[in-house]
Amino acid sequence: GDSVTQMEGPVTLSEEAFLTINCTYTATGYPSLFWYVQYPGEGLQLLLKATKADDKGSNKGFEATYRKETTSFHLEKGSVQVSDSAVYFCALSYMNYGGSQGNLIFGKGTKLSVKP
Amino acid sequence: GAGVSQSPSNKVTEKGKDVELRCDPISGHTALYWYRQSLGQGLEFLIYFQGNSAPDKSGLPSDRFSAERTGGSVSTLTIQRTQQEDSAVYLCASRGLRTDTQYFGPGTRLTVL
Repeated sequence: GDSVTQMEGPVTLSEEAFLTINCTYTATGYPSLFWYVQYPGEGLQLLLKATKADDKGSNKGFEATYRKETTSFHLEKGSVQVSDSAVYFCALSYMNYGGSQGNLIFGKGTKLSVKP
Repeated sequence: GAGVSQSPSNKVTEKGKDVELRCDPISGHTALYWYRQSLGQGLEFLIYFQGNSAPDKSGLPSDRFSAERTGGSVSTLTIQRTQQEDSAVYLCASRGLRTDTQYFGPGTRLTVL
């Protein structure tokens, strides 16, 4: 079945450091890929997404590129801030507007702590 | 506009009791999902509603779990005869038509003593 694997955390970085959180997926078809973020005490929020191979999603300085050849969707940010401290989830879903359910399949999450 | 809301935010119950969790999706969103977030299992899909179609219950872990959606809007997740392993955060999400972005509520933290 389909699955998402992301790097184990926690990840601790100093402010302004470069961030990479690895995410790979196993899929039977051609899913959309997502990064969701959960800030302390808050709900899940969509950070960015990509719907097809070679698409790059970006938001708030974060980027991820849909790589079909390596089945990866790694999250990167050039300079992290303390406010980026959160749990990051990689996920996939299938959207077939003809009726596919589109439920998200999540990775286990990676906790990021950024120190000043 | 208003986002997805869930109630209660916290629920503590005794083993064997029934609980009901409520979700109010974003107005106009036809798709509604329930997920469970637990330490051991991560985020798991439970059930999906799309308009007036029969729900997809393929993620429900046992027959103690059920859900309904009234009038294509509000949804209630019911857990009967709760067990300690049901302790988790239950998340609801909704999605508009012809988009793949789901919007999540703040969740209900369920603790079964």
